[in-house]
Amino acid sequence: EADIYQTPRYLVIGTGKKITLECSQTMGHDKMYWYQQDPGMELHLIHYSYGVNSTEKGDLSSESTVSRIRTEHFPLTLESARPSHTSQYLCASSEFVGAPLDEAFFGQGTRLTVV
Amino acid sequence: AQSVAQPEDQVNVAEGNPLTVKCTYSVSGNPYLFWYVQYPNRGLQFLLKYITGDNLVKGSYGFEAEFNKSQTSFHLKKPSALVSDSALYFCAVRDGYSSASKIIFGSGTRLSIRP
Repeated sequence: EADIYQTPRYLVIGTGKKITLECSQTMGHDKMYWYQQDPGMELHLIHYSYGVNSTEKGDLSSESTVSRIRTEHFPLTLESARPSHTSQYLCASSEFVGAPLDEAFFGQGTRLTVV
Repeated sequence: AQSVAQPEDQVNVAEGNPLTVKCTYSVSGNPYLFWYVQYPNRGLQFLLKYITGDNLVKGSYGFEAEFNKSQTSFHLKKPSALVSDSALYFCAVRDGYSSASKIIFGSGTRLSIRP
């Protein structure tokens, strides 16, 4: 079982609220990712990080922001939630040790509904 | 740019029959390929990966994948399908070998196994 955790699992929140989705991993992985996925649909990479103090935008533009102050923690923040942000958000991590043996480990996801 | 394509949105197979889920890739260098499975209300789980070596890669739950360089394909296979194999399957490619590389997912294929 992979040691990567996302909280909350489910969140219903009103428009305009600020929210932070938490993601933590205990595997010491340098690389972390956030994907956005509508139910049963493809995954879109919205943010990733190579390590502490590294954050990059993914392939899908997102109004969310991320931070990586500690290796194990990669929170995603929406300053002002809107109904268009309703989706599932998946966090993942992978190791890079000089060889491409690093499959990604995924959290269970946060299903966000903005009303 | 690196990419993967899953040409089938859905694959339907009778239980006990062999199954194939197709994936083709486009990379500029050596391909590092992965298959993931997503069961309902669960996070993505790693199934198998191809880095180098044998073209036939064996993974979890009896799945295997065949790497074909000339056809740039990495099809997922199983000799005898189970109803419990019904899920969403994603092919993925790592877009390079550097620490900056990220994992790019295909659009997903829904596998449905009928009793």
